[in-house]
Amino acid sequence: NAGVTQTPKFQVLKTGQSMTLQCAQDMNHNSMYWYRQDPGMGLRLIYYSASEGTTDKGEVPNGYNVSRLNKREFSLRLESAAPSQTSVYFCASSELNRGQETQYFGPGTRLLVL
Amino acid sequence: SQKIEQNSEALNIQEGKTATLTCNYTNYSPAYLQWYRQDPGRGPVFLLLIRENEKEKRKERLKVTFDTTLKQSLFHITASQPADSATYLCALGGGSYIPTFGRGTSLIVHP
Repeated sequence: NAGVTQTPKFQVLKTGQSMTLQCAQDMNHNSMYWYRQDPGMGLRLIYYSASEGTTDKGEVPNGYNVSRLNKREFSLRLESAAPSQTSVYFCASSELNRGQETQYFGPGTRLLVL
Repeated sequence: SQKIEQNSEALNIQEGKTATLTCNYTNYSPAYLQWYRQDPGRGPVFLLLIRENEKEKRKERLKVTFDTTLKQSLFHITASQPADSATYLCALGGGSYIPTFGRGTSLIVHP
């Protein structure tokens, strides 16, 4: 049981390059999330998907797009990377159950934009 | 706007003592509050959830309290060990809220 997996683990991009961060979960969860974590800022929600086929913006969506490919997979795309997007990105999943949104996190992707 | 406050300064304690971490919030009426542990270079791991109608929750050496009047949760680790050293995050959620995380407090337990 792998839980939540993320690829790649590390990535270096040049300003303007694009890339897609991949996330998959094997817990049959309905909801999936993308966060970024910066020093002193805590976890900030970028986008989330409450169920397959739906996506919604979180606190900091600008510069990102997402795709809920199926129930297992939720990808995050940076179309034109900027140095401000240097961060650690975490994917999470949860069973949509009002009153108990326990989230399970992946190991993170460390992104450096030069 | 909603605000969650956790002490940004690291908490240093001696092994065997009780560690107490605080999570305060404003402009928020959460249905539940969660505590997560995060080790360096890893994703957060869920520890405990307490609902708005619960005063206290325990799990092994962990205890969480939730005071909706004070808008505060306290997280206690009794008989702390160096292995408890990590960053602890609180998160509030419920209803239509996606859980919102505090910035976390670093705990350092000295042998």
